[in-house]
Amino acid sequence: EIVLTQSPATLSLSPGESATLSCRASQSVNNYLAWYQHKPGQAPRLLIYDASNRATGIPARFSGSGSGTDFTLTISSLEPEDFAVYYCQQRSNWPNPLTFGGGTKVEIK
Amino acid sequence: EVQVVESGGGLVQPGRSLRLSCAASGFTFDDYAMHWVRQRPGKGLEWVSGISWNSGSIGYADSVKGRFTISRDNARNSLYLQMNSLRPEDTALYHCAKDRRSNLLVYMDVWGKGTTVTVSS
Repeated sequence: EIVLTQSPATLSLSPGESATLSCRASQSVNNYLAWYQHKPGQAPRLLIYDASNRATGIPARFSGSGSGTDFTLTISSLEPEDFAVYYCQQRSNWPNPLTFGGGTKVEIK
Repeated sequence: EVQVVESGGGLVQPGRSLRLSCAASGFTFDDYAMHWVRQRPGKGLEWVSGISWNSGSIGYADSVKGRFTISRDNARNSLYLQMNSLRPEDTALYHCAKDRRSNLLVYMDVWGKGTTVTVSS
């Protein structure tokens, strides 16, 4: 099973600042990585797929990069609604299980 | 509106069974693979199981393999999760999710808010 490690666990920032979230895979996942946003009491939302493609309706301030084992989600100029938990997920070696990272909480400083 | 709505959660004793359902609407159900993803209390997201559009490709997390069975009824636009031999560690909020693809299990682009399963004596 591929293990995804996200860092930091918590990121304390102010609105308007930029956020950089990291996801590292225990082995190469090529570019088969997605990012999700999850707020309490709400359904998770797909932000980025295949490492760098924004999902439908996702604002341009969200961008993804990376390949192989190291990936980054960048949120430029945080909006109040961006404070949430973010998860990465890989789908590299199906039929082996899909896996999620442990999450990064972006909180208001 | 594209949506999926879960049902069937509840309180169940260890060792017993429970069946979750997911009703899909607003999209052509049999064009897409589907998933179950859970979130244990205070923990992150955990993929549980996925099924391709025609049930030809199915996968499970190691933690549920042999105990849970995923299935779908395309005529009813419905997804199911039969959970047997339930354990306290299966206590979680269970989300149904639509995949972006039909025949591969890749990423989940529509999610429900979940149904809660509590396994306790």
